[in-house]
Amino acid sequence: AQSVTQLDSQVPVFEEAPVELRCNYSSSVSVYLFWYVQYPNQGLQLLLKYLSGSTLVKGINGFEAEFNKSQTSFHLRKPSVHISDTAEYFCAVGYQKVTFGTGTKLQVIP
Amino acid sequence: GAGVSQTPSNKVTEKGKYVELRCDPISGHTALYWYRQSLGQGPEFLIYFQGTGAADDSGLPNDRFFAVRPEGSVSTLKIQRTERGDSAVYLCASSPGAGKTLGPAFFGQGTRLTVV
Repeated sequence: AQSVTQLDSQVPVFEEAPVELRCNYSSSVSVYLFWYVQYPNQGLQLLLKYLSGSTLVKGINGFEAEFNKSQTSFHLRKPSVHISDTAEYFCAVGYQKVTFGTGTKLQVIP
Repeated sequence: GAGVSQTPSNKVTEKGKYVELRCDPISGHTALYWYRQSLGQGPEFLIYFQGTGAADDSGLPNDRFFAVRPEGSVSTLKIQRTERGDSAVYLCASSPGAGKTLGPAFFGQGTRLTVV
């Protein structure tokens, strides 16, 4: 069985401030973790993924995530957000059958 | 096409009717996924194809739901005797294939199904 928990349904943050979107996972097998982004009126896009190797994963648009096995977390971070980062972000876990969390809406305030 | 294409973009049907939703993956992608997303929820896995075969159909909610991919490219999700609870956005995604990409990489815009 596998699941992810995104504790924050909405995160407001001022432009140019740092942001962290939290994700905790549960998996009984090897862990493959993903972050996806859904911009308003657009389809889901893969932001980054962790398969193995370095626990710090860099993705598109300046985002990065860190895999922490002891805390079963895979938090998403960006040091300075832009208005264009306003979107919904989904954490996911799995191999081919990928299970998604309920999403976190990031609202960047000018 | 350049991306994953889903048709129709919107479908309204009456309770009890049969519907078909189509997905055109990125050319050459052997892995294809169907998900559905209800309001305020994350995408829910339905089925995964590798080539023509359904490698994992454990997410199909019941036997009213069926999906095919006869030639390993276009896929059709079929729903019989639709119920109001089937209303959701149905998402299709594709990936290059086993060993190259894990999980769905490119999503379509989805088909919004409304059962009235």
